[in-house]
Amino acid sequence: DTGVSQNPRHKITKRGQNVTFRCDPISEHNRLYWYRQTLGQGPEFLTYFQNEAQLEKSRLLSDRFSAERPKGSFSTLEIQRTEQGDSAMYLCASSPGTGLPLAGNTIYFGEGSWLTVV
Amino acid sequence: TQLLEQSPQFLSIQEGENLTVYCNSSSVFSSLQWYRQEPGEGPVLLVTVVTGGEVKKLKRLTFQFGDARKDSSLHITAAQTGDTGLYLCAGSPADRGSTLGRLYFGRGTQLTVWP
Repeated sequence: DTGVSQNPRHKITKRGQNVTFRCDPISEHNRLYWYRQTLGQGPEFLTYFQNEAQLEKSRLLSDRFSAERPKGSFSTLEIQRTEQGDSAMYLCASSPGTGLPLAGNTIYFGEGSWLTVV
Repeated sequence: TQLLEQSPQFLSIQEGENLTVYCNSSSVFSSLQWYRQEPGEGPVLLVTVVTGGEVKKLKRLTFQFGDARKDSSLHITAAQTGDTGLYLCAGSPADRGSTLGRLYFGRGTQLTVWP
């Protein structure tokens, strides 16, 4: 299956440690997105890339968070000095086109990476 | 405040019943999407509606986009236990052109279908 792949699927870390998540989008998808989802909530947008350029960042993305997509393919999301409030599922998604998410520009989500900060 | 309000938040029904979930906003959306999410998994796209008044059917699921493109509904006929899951609506507001590709999600409707 060549869907969006995320790893690790689960990560438990101690408060104050750094963690990094990786996302491999669907091949040839230009856009890559990161979302965060906590229990009882829908996903919240964090950031997105058009190829290697990071075009938008949410205010949710504090300076402890950094995302990269160095070659326009895979992406990493790093959280430094983790806090308990960072515990959530981090979702990566990709889409093929450059326009709005209309019928021809569907966004496909990965299975998510669960982070638990203890 | 949520840009997209979904109701009800929880719905528990028996197999064979019909149900409708709603997604409402005060904003106009370029398109709205419905996703289904199972525990521990990412959302899976069910449908995208683009045109005001549009109705799309996916087997026992019927999706409608409001005429003013501010709301949508999902109707399930003769629910089955396999329909259990979190149903999320999401969209891109038409007046936020600078956020191309960014989706705003509702909190979801957790549907449980009992045998």
